[in-house]
Amino acid sequence: DQQVKQNSPSLSVQEGRISILNCDYTNSMFDYFLWYKKYPAEGPTFLISISSIKDKNEDGRFTVFLNKSAKHLSLHIVPSQPGDSAVYFCAASATNAGKSTFGDGTTLTVKP
Amino acid sequence: DGGITQSPKYLFRKEGQNVTLSCEQNLNHDAMYWYRQDPGQGLRLIYYSQIVNDFQKGDIAEGYSVSREKKESFPLTVTSAQKNPTAFYLCASSAQGRGNQPQHFGDGTRLSIL
Repeated sequence: DQQVKQNSPSLSVQEGRISILNCDYTNSMFDYFLWYKKYPAEGPTFLISISSIKDKNEDGRFTVFLNKSAKHLSLHIVPSQPGDSAVYFCAASATNAGKSTFGDGTTLTVKP
Repeated sequence: DGGITQSPKYLFRKEGQNVTLSCEQNLNHDAMYWYRQDPGQGLRLIYYSQIVNDFQKGDIAEGYSVSREKKESFPLTVTSAQKNPTAFYLCASSAQGRGNQPQHFGDGTRLSIL
């Protein structure tokens, strides 16, 4: 039973447009959510996070939105750049837990 | 430069042999993690350790073993009991092992069983 789901395996957008990556979770104990970006042959790197006490967190071109009632979060990248092409993983955790649960990832391709 | 070092990048072993993957960090982090990634799938937690000399099983611990004798090191042994060991293995660390702390990852070891 997957507790964190990224239902879109891939997404393709044009350079300069908005990229929206989605993530759903089922465990009500999760109260902290993180997005990681992964390039081929490298480990994931932390991108942005959000606590369940907020519904939005912004960092430059990256914004994460959280809808607790729907158990849904999304990552918006505006404007998208070719260098953003990578696999994006959503992760969820309980603050006092020692681990995170990851989704299967969404491969984003930004076309010039 | 602080970070996590996984070695080797590629590892080949014969079926039935145990193999140990190395993970070293110089970030002074308390917590360390091992994940397995299969094609088209996310990261699945094998083992994690929040402090030296202590570790817990993750979601897919069967066929694996770990040790945490030093803060900087968290080696993973893939035993012959692991039915399908060919995969990409990622090691990570975080400051205190709390869920609201981002994890820092190494660049992974790709293990192939011949």
